[in-house]
Amino acid sequence: DTGVSQDPRHKITKRGQNVTFRCDPISEHNRLYWYRQTLGQGPEFLTYFQNEAQLEKSRLLSDRFSAERPKGSFSTLEIQRTEQGDSAMYLCASSLGQAGRNTEAFFGQGTRLTVV
Amino acid sequence: AQSVAQPEDQVNVAEGNPLTVKCTYSVSGNPYLFWYVQYPNRGLQFLLKYITGDNLVKGSYGFEAEFNKSQTSFHLKKPSALVSDSALYFCAVRGPYNFNKFYFGSGTKLNVKP
Repeated sequence: DTGVSQDPRHKITKRGQNVTFRCDPISEHNRLYWYRQTLGQGPEFLTYFQNEAQLEKSRLLSDRFSAERPKGSFSTLEIQRTEQGDSAMYLCASSLGQAGRNTEAFFGQGTRLTVV
Repeated sequence: AQSVAQPEDQVNVAEGNPLTVKCTYSVSGNPYLFWYVQYPNRGLQFLLKYITGDNLVKGSYGFEAEFNKSQTSFHLKKPSALVSDSALYFCAVRGPYNFNKFYFGSGTKLNVKP
């Protein structure tokens, strides 16, 4: 257990429905990342927060995706009008510090989304 | 743009033998390099990192990695493989110009046979 928790662990949804995932990072970590991983691939960057500010978004993050981190603590990732291509493992990670450029990220166990 | 390549989709090794999982990176400057391991249906676990200093870095579970700047490589090694080392291994790079994200390779599946 890395200390990063994600909820739910698994989600099955019908195409067109909205889903929301939650991530609770390690409490003292001010940096938070969302990644997406499909079978046989490495994690792909989606978005990054420093405290409550969303500082970078990947072009992979279409208008149907939105992420928030109110108060710089937990984060949510919402996917609207889900499509079958959204089926993947969604990973959240956190890391430490303003000057912590050389620090590793700690990953949660992921939320596996299946769109049917 | 930063990128990481893991040229082998799969590595097979017998228990007790040394193992190497290869990683090369394509970044100008001095990036930070990381290795992670992923067990089935789990998130990624940090193994080790190279920031600066000694080219041989030691990490968790007896793993080590050798940074080679001239070959832009960061290969993961272990002197004696265990069956329990069987998992998916990812190399990642961060920086040196954008520290907002980690770039991951496509992963290498390590199979250690008894």
